[in-house]
Amino acid sequence: GAVVSQHPSWVICKSGTSVKIECRSLDFQATTMFWYRQFPKQSLMLMATSNEGSKATYEQGVEKDKFLINHASLTLSTLTVTSAHPEDSSFYICSARDLERGGETDTQYFGPGTRLTVL
Amino acid sequence: GENVEQHPSTLSVQEGDSAVIKCTYSDSASNYFPWYKQELGKGPQLIIDIRSNVGEKKDQRIAVTLNKTAKHFSLHITETQPEDSAVYFCAVGDGRRALTFGSGTRLQVQP
Repeated sequence: GAVVSQHPSWVICKSGTSVKIECRSLDFQATTMFWYRQFPKQSLMLMATSNEGSKATYEQGVEKDKFLINHASLTLSTLTVTSAHPEDSSFYICSARDLERGGETDTQYFGPGTRLTVL
Repeated sequence: GENVEQHPSTLSVQEGDSAVIKCTYSDSASNYFPWYKQELGKGPQLIIDIRSNVGEKKDQRIAVTLNKTAKHFSLHITETQPEDSAVYFCAVGDGRRALTFGSGTRLQVQP
């Protein structure tokens, strides 16, 4: 099946620093990637939709200047949490749509997630 | 926008029994219904999906049924095993926007 990787799997940083998380589709091309955050025992909350070569679309309430998204190629999207604070601590998960499945454009494959802890 | 409700929030079954999780959705334009399994500390894993032109799909011990008229779909797991213990999420898509997820069901299979 389609594989999506994320790096790092976990990160601990000091308040005020920036953290970059990478999301890669390993064996397929993805024109669209999604970024979610998940708090303990809760569902996935969509943060933004990332399209290759264009600006990301952010969900209401998500600060685009704080969560910078870059989708530079069909296999890589990055999320940068700028000036991180303890309330940004969460589990961040990306997903990618499999372009090659043609009409089945909704199929999303998820990465393993990145646990961010801001001290 | 789409509204997805998932029930139950927790489900405990004995090993070997069946488990059923149900979801309802609101947007009649939705046409894609996947189910994900999420283990602790990991990302969601796609386990089965169904599209609106099909009423039922089965993959070994897992099956999904869809009733488009009533706008609900269900996940059925037969002969449950302890390794089936996880959180299961339903989701709904329409081919344009990101998937909308249900609130999740924590399944515990007692050995």
